[in-house]
Amino acid sequence: GQQLNQSPQSMFIQEGEDVSMNCTSSSIFNTWLWYKQEPGEGPVLLIALYKAGELTSNGRLTAQFGITRKDSFLNISASIPSDVGIYFCAGQNSGGSNYKLTFGKGTLLTVNP
Amino acid sequence: NAGVMQNPRHLVRRRGQEARLRCSPMKGHSHVYWYRQLPEEGLKFMVYLQKENIIDESGMPKERFSAEFPKEGPSILRIQQVVRGDSAAYFCASSPNREIYNEQFFGPGTRLTVL
Repeated sequence: GQQLNQSPQSMFIQEGEDVSMNCTSSSIFNTWLWYKQEPGEGPVLLIALYKAGELTSNGRLTAQFGITRKDSFLNISASIPSDVGIYFCAGQNSGGSNYKLTFGKGTLLTVNP
Repeated sequence: NAGVMQNPRHLVRRRGQEARLRCSPMKGHSHVYWYRQLPEEGLKFMVYLQKENIIDESGMPKERFSAEFPKEGPSILRIQQVVRGDSAAYFCASSPNREIYNEQFFGPGTRLTVL
């Protein structure tokens, strides 16, 4: 099955720093999604990307859909303590099974105040 | 407008027992998806249901696992004769319809521990 490689696995940063994480795939996706999961909770959708090359922002978060359709990155600017959590990328195909999300293993973000 | 609700939030079972996980989708949503998350892993698709229909169960183990979404009431994920390897977090997501397929809203999950 399809797999997503997400890096880095974890990050320890100081409050105010910028963060970048990315996902790569061996196959093409038609939609890339970025989720955040906090301890004991389910994933919450942060940003959805629908077109190759698309760059989308949501507050301090910016994500891009790679032009090859096999990668995506997420940037967080000026991090704050509440950014702590696990960030997952997820890819989605077109066609008959477009409802299936394929998730990366996540990037654990720790922000030191 | 309540979000996706799952219960119980935590479930402990001994090997060989049955586990029943319940999911109530968001109001107005008729599509339900179940995902499993093993420790330090991403979520993996298990099954997609609409009311009274299983659309795709390709991600669900063939034995011991079953899912339903009856006309009335919550969706149920049932695991019979649980084994230690079933210990995981099980998440349910719902969407209003298939066209807006990307907007899957997730519940808080059920953490299953098999002793």
